[in-house]
Amino acid sequence: AQSVAQPEDQVNVAEGNPLTVKCTYSVSGNPYLFWYVQYPNRGLQFLLKYITGDNLVKGSYGFEAEFNKSQTSFHLKKPSALVSDSALYFCAVRDMVPSTLTFGKGTMLLVSP
Amino acid sequence: EAEVAQSPRYKITEKSQAVAFWCDPISGHATLYWYRQILGQGPELLVQFQDESVVDDSQLPKDRFSAERLKGVDSTLKIQPAELGDSAMYLCASSPDRNQETQYFGPGTRLLVL
Repeated sequence: AQSVAQPEDQVNVAEGNPLTVKCTYSVSGNPYLFWYVQYPNRGLQFLLKYITGDNLVKGSYGFEAEFNKSQTSFHLKKPSALVSDSALYFCAVRDMVPSTLTFGKGTMLLVSP
Repeated sequence: EAEVAQSPRYKITEKSQAVAFWCDPISGHATLYWYRQILGQGPELLVQFQDESVVDDSQLPKDRFSAERLKGVDSTLKIQPAELGDSAMYLCASSPDRNQETQYFGPGTRLLVL
């Protein structure tokens, strides 16, 4: 069965500093990996995905993620955090069979001014 | 930009009552998903439709939950009777087809069962 682990409940970073939100995964085949962001009382917004190709994936709002097959990780990164980046971030994995998404429990990102 | 629509946004009900949630996916999206998100957790799939057919409802508590997508467009998720443990955010998502990787989510319906 596929699974996702987000080891940090919360990440705190000062505005302007780089940020990293960690994610590790487990699947039986080649993974499809995703990051979504959720603002309070809102649905999930797609940020980026890794399917194949370059291990560094660029997405919305200046976010990027690095796929590391040997460490089974897909950490979300941003070079310079903004206060408006404060939100709940979810990592998700999709295996070919079944073709459903499995989400991590989420990591709250708090960016202080 | 096209979006997934859901209503109501908030619902308060008493236990043992019936509730229903509605979802209108992005136009042309054949695959529709209903998720339940309990506070402090990630979304968990309840049911997946491909057009009007159920593809996966293995995690749907069928004794009280039902879902339909009669014309392969909008969908309704029903709970009857509601229990205290059903309090959660119910999210609808759609994708062009089940092999498309990206799912697009609606704003969700927050349910509180008293």
